[in-house]
Amino acid sequence: KQEVTQIPAALSVPEGENLVLNCSFTDSAIYNLQWFRQDPGKGLTSLLLIQSSQREQTSGRLNASLDKSSGRSTLYIAASQPGDSATYLCAVNPMDSNYQLIWGAGTKLIIKP
Amino acid sequence: DAGITQSPRHKVTETGTPVTLRCHQTENHRYMYWYRQDPGHGLRLIHYSYGVKDTDKGEVSDGYSVSRSKTEDFLLTLESATSSQTSVYFCAISDGVQNTEAFFGQGTRLTVV
Repeated sequence: KQEVTQIPAALSVPEGENLVLNCSFTDSAIYNLQWFRQDPGKGLTSLLLIQSSQREQTSGRLNASLDKSSGRSTLYIAASQPGDSATYLCAVNPMDSNYQLIWGAGTKLIIKP
Repeated sequence: DAGITQSPRHKVTETGTPVTLRCHQTENHRYMYWYRQDPGHGLRLIHYSYGVKDTDKGEVSDGYSVSRSKTEDFLLTLESATSSQTSVYFCAISDGVQNTEAFFGQGTRLTVV
């Protein structure tokens, strides 16, 4: 059964730092992996989608990588800003379950001004 | 942003009463999902739909039913609400299964007293 883990559960860093959030999964048979952002009391915003054949995706200051063989993905945030404060979730789309994303519990990120 | 509207956004109801949550999309996406989000459990799939009148159960479907009579609308019904169904409910849509992003609504906060 696919399991997704995000470590750390919470992270607090000063503004301006580059940081990395981690997502690991137990079964490499996935179609894709998606990173989301969730602000308090809000819905989820899709940040990046990495297909299983891709190694990385970039959007602005965000870069997500995928290493299927090791079951890992990272979300790199460059030059962090207080507005980046949110909970970041990763979800994998497993090949053996067409309709169900498997979710990590999220990393709560706080960027201190 | 993907055109997904959830209604109501907030609801307080009494134990034993029926409750219906609505998800409306303007993207003409084939797949629609209902999730619940609870502290300590993350996001869990309740039901999903892969077309008009085509629905199936997710991980935590007990006590819930769904209907999809039109592409744009996906209804989640709690036949007899219980306190354990107090949660935040999210609707999501996607245009495919394997290689497409999932987009989420803003959520409905349901409290059963």
